[in-house]
This record gives sequence, structure tokens and C-alpha cells, in this order.
Amino acid sequence: DTGVSQDPRHKITKRGQNVTFRCDPISEHNRLYWYRQTLGQGPEFLTYFQNEAQLEKSRLLSDRFSAERPKGSFSTLEIQRTEQGDSAMYLCASSLGTANTEAFFGQGTRLTVV
Amino acid sequence: AQKVTQAQTEISVVEKEDVTLDCVYETRDTTYYLFWYKQPPSGELVFLIRRNSFDEQNEISGRYSWNFQKSTSSFNFTITASQVVDSAVYFCALSSRGVIQGAQKLVFGQGTRLTINP
Repeated sequence: DTGVSQDPRHKITKRGQNVTFRCDPISEHNRLYWYRQTLGQGPEFLTYFQNEAQLEKSRLLSDRFSAERPKGSFSTLEIQRTEQGDSAMYLCASSLGTANTEAFFGQGTRLTVV
Repeated sequence: AQKVTQAQTEISVVEKEDVTLDCVYETRDTTYYLFWYKQPPSGELVFLIRRNSFDEQNEISGRYSWNFQKSTSSFNFTITASQVVDSAVYFCALSSRGVIQGAQKLVFGQGTRLTINP
């Protein structure tokens, strides 16, 4: 296990379709985060898991977005009825369960909605 | 509200020059953490440094150094003798308290695109 893995790396979808992304964190990390990054901007926090519990969600996470982390291992982020404004890089990160250790990021999934 | 400002959108220097990336932050928390991340073209954010609000000691790691000044709410990053491989987008970030003590929800600045020309 060399780091956080995200799949797919790129996704092109038509507006209105549903998409699902997967994140595999570093194996011993019990915290998992999703961020969204649009072109020329810094990442913005979407949601956070401690083990399988989703503990915090940003206002950016509309009702069309849902994230899960069954069994506290990998996580999925689903976007329903995609819109062009959803086009962005979706980044996953993980960290140990101790206060403020650094988060390790995956390479992201770039979503393009056409 | 938490906010991080990186006023320099793009910087371009010639190799071997020193370059400083500025970061100014806003927070009402008395305990907070500051970070710098590097994002090369591959897209993965690479952790560079973490500093807590109680530790204002500057840090040097090889060609990298960081200057944390609480009085001016700044956490600047200097690369000495820059190299082409340093070309990337650099992000400053501030940790925000989550619902669980110590949760590491990060607030990022907009980033500074650094180009080192040979």
C-alpha cells in the first residue's frame, strides 16, 4: 500500500447521468475526507468520515451528492443527476485518528460533465 | 470564519533564484494548524509541513524554509536556490475544527503557481 488510491482517474459523463467515484485510503488510516477542486482554486472540503461514520458535511454537498464508507475501509462518492457545475477534480484524503496529523491525498478523479 | 489568502497567483523565476510564497490566514480559534502542500501536474497534493499555533519557531528543511508570524497571521514559504522540479502549484491551508476534536478539515488558499525556468 503506497498511498491513497482513487478510481477512476478521469470520468466524462453527460449531464443528468449519475456517477460514482471510489477512494481507497491508506490501510491504517481511520479518517477519510473528500474535497472538490475547480480549476485555478484550492480544494474545498466536502465531507469527512471517522471509520464508517460520516461526521461532517459541507454546505457544498447538495442533496445530489452522497458519500459512504461501509466497514470503514474504502469510500464512494456518488453524484446524481450531474450538472455542468459539477465538473471538477474530486480529491480523497486519509489520515490517522490522532489530532491533526497530516492528511495524505490521492491523485483525484477529474469529472467532466458535458 | 476561517480563511486563507495567497495573494500571489503566479510566480515565475529563473533557476537558482530564491522565491517566497506568501500566505495570510484568518481564524478565531486559539488552537489551529497551518500546512503547506505542493501539487505537481500529476494532481496529487504532497504534504510539505504542518505547524501548530503555539509553535512560532521557523523551520528549515533542505532548500525549504517556513516563517510563521502569529502577529501578522502569516505563514510564508521560501525556496532557496530554486530548481525546475520545484515547479508546481503550492497551497497553504488552515485546519478547522470539526465536530470531533482534532478533525482535520482543511481550508485552502487559492494556490500559487510557481514556474522555475531553466
